[in-house]
Amino acid sequence: KAGVTQTPRYLIKTRGQQVTLSCSPISGHRSVSWYQQTPGQGLQFLFEYFSETQRNKGNFPGRFSGRQFSNSRSEMNVSTLELGDSALYLCASSGVGPPDTQYFGPGTRLTVL
Amino acid sequence: AQKITQTQPGMFVQEKEAVTLDCTYDTSDPSYGLFWYKQPSSGEMIFLIYQGSYDQQNATEGRYSLNFQKARKSANLVISASQLGDSAMYFCATTGAGSYQLTFGKGTKLSVIP
Repeated sequence: KAGVTQTPRYLIKTRGQQVTLSCSPISGHRSVSWYQQTPGQGLQFLFEYFSETQRNKGNFPGRFSGRQFSNSRSEMNVSTLELGDSALYLCASSGVGPPDTQYFGPGTRLTVL
Repeated sequence: AQKITQTQPGMFVQEKEAVTLDCTYDTSDPSYGLFWYKQPSSGEMIFLIYQGSYDQQNATEGRYSLNFQKARKSANLVISASQLGDSAMYFCATTGAGSYQLTFGKGTKLSVIP
């Protein structure tokens, strides 16, 4: 089975712009979660989608949004980028548990200048 | 809410030796999962091992084993016969009942010395 794929792998944007990141889960997985990783805050949960519905959301401002399509692929969007949004954004997919193991993609490294 | 504590920011181990990475957790959920992930410098999080809160036996996956002590709320990762390729960041994480949200610790950077 192919693993989780994320595109693009690297992205450079300037403050105020918006960005869309894409994630394709492992075939058959219906849950997709997003995480932000920074040196200062570590790994933080953004949101989780299951069958096109957001089931859970972390403590991030409304500038961070996401969606999931009928084929389970997911996108996350960050509007009005700030310098602090520079991070590694990781997507993970999960099948039906237990265990509810999440398998991660390679990540998208976003740099905001 | 869940919390994971990893008290070892960095560790060194000699190649072929065993090493234990510490993890303690705090949760009010009666049912939870405990996970360990490896993150090489490339950035990808690699799943290593899982332990369910109701599992009676400690989980093992090849050279990885999880030393689960429920009363102490600890879930230490043991890597046997360390290899150079084991050099990476290691994260302990937990999920609560009915949730796919992972709560991570701050990680331990393991360096394997030849």
